[in-house]
Amino acid sequence: DVKVTQSSRYLVKRTGEKVFLECVQDMDHENMFWYRQDPGLGLRLIYFSYDVKMKEKGDIPEGYSVSREKKERFSLILESASTNQTSMYLCASSSGGTPADGYTFGSGTRLTVV
Amino acid sequence: AQSVTQPDIHITVSEGASLELRCNYSYGATPYLFWYVQSPGQGLQLLLKYFSGDTLVQGIKGFEAEFKRSQSSFNLRKPSVHWSDAAEYFCAVGGNTDKLIFGTGTRLQVFP
Repeated sequence: DVKVTQSSRYLVKRTGEKVFLECVQDMDHENMFWYRQDPGLGLRLIYFSYDVKMKEKGDIPEGYSVSREKKERFSLILESASTNQTSMYLCASSSGGTPADGYTFGSGTRLTVV
Repeated sequence: AQSVTQPDIHITVSEGASLELRCNYSYGATPYLFWYVQSPGQGLQLLLKYFSGDTLVQGIKGFEAEFKRSQSSFNLRKPSVHWSDAAEYFCAVGGNTDKLIFGTGTRLQVFP
């Protein structure tokens, strides 16, 4: 069964810490995405990547960065965590070209910043 | 501007009742349309998708959706809801860029 795996289901971090959220997919997908999900706001795109070492800003990139050194891995980095980054983070991947197949999502990481 | 609107934030139905979740989109080109479901604490699972052909599409778990171009809608339906359908449902639209735009979701509550 194809999978997108997020390394942690729950994380608690302190304000100011550097936080790494890891995402790995085993479907040889070109495209990978990071979203945050907050009640009433739906899914908001943080960053995405269409290829190794390539990244593009989404709608809310401030306070975040990403790394894609290998095709299967896409990491989200919170440079200095703040309480307003407490949220559910969802990683997704898709094959290249048109979005006909949609996205495959990971199970999410619920991050709490205290 | 490209957007997806799910006008109902929260819907409550009785088990066995029919269900319709609304989705309206604004998209400049021929859209690819999707419905996803999210169970509590989980990621999103694809229910069904539409990009061409028959405007009534069937998905998993007994769901279907109808694409109506004239109304810019892609409503999700199920004839008889089960308690296990309680979840949050997201509509999404995309195009050639492969970047999906998601609605804000509709939370479905099912009473026994």
